[in-house]
Amino acid sequence: DAEITQSPRHKITETGRQVTLACHQTWNHNNMFWYRQDLGHGLRLIHYSYGVQDTNKGEVSDGYSVSRSNTEDLPLTLESAASSQTSVYFCASSENWRGVNNEQFFGPGTRLTVL
Amino acid sequence: TQLLEQSPQFLSIQEGENLTVYCNSSSVFSSLQWYRQEPGEGPVLLVTVVTGGEVKKLKRLTFQFGDARKDSSLHITAAQPGDTGLYLCAGASGTYKYIFGTGTRLKVLA
Repeated sequence: DAEITQSPRHKITETGRQVTLACHQTWNHNNMFWYRQDLGHGLRLIHYSYGVQDTNKGEVSDGYSVSRSNTEDLPLTLESAASSQTSVYFCASSENWRGVNNEQFFGPGTRLTVL
Repeated sequence: TQLLEQSPQFLSIQEGENLTVYCNSSSVFSSLQWYRQEPGEGPVLLVTVVTGGEVKKLKRLTFQFGDARKDSSLHITAAQPGDTGLYLCAGASGTYKYIFGTGTRLKVLA
């Protein structure tokens, strides 16, 4: 069965370190998204990609970067981790068609703590 | 900036009670989705509504899209402990993207 996985599931790091969160999907979806989830804010979009070599900034992109070298993977990098980036991070993917039911399939999340 | 406000933020009710969750915005959306998220997992799509005034039913869950396509509601009849979770609305925002609401955390007590 197709799926979307994230690793690691939990990560503790120190302020200033570079951290990369992995996201891998076997749906063969062109669209991939990274969100962070914080209490009272729902899900906020960090970066997204519509295909290989395409990346775009979301509403909270400062301090984060992504790269898309193949269809399956969209790693999220925190260049220099800050305590404000402590959060739960979700990766999602969706079909690339202009329908009205662009269901997003979410991974299980990565809980990141920056000390 | 498009914003989706959900109310209430938290809701704790007894099994068998009815409840309604609201999702409001000042922006018009071409479509709106509702997701449910359980602890330790990612959100899962429940429904998509597209037409103003549209009503969709999913067993004991009834979803309505406002006539002006700025708001939506989720009504649960005879809530069960299995309905416990975080409910998120999401409005279409540009190509393939959605803006998510602030979330409503529901707990149904047995």
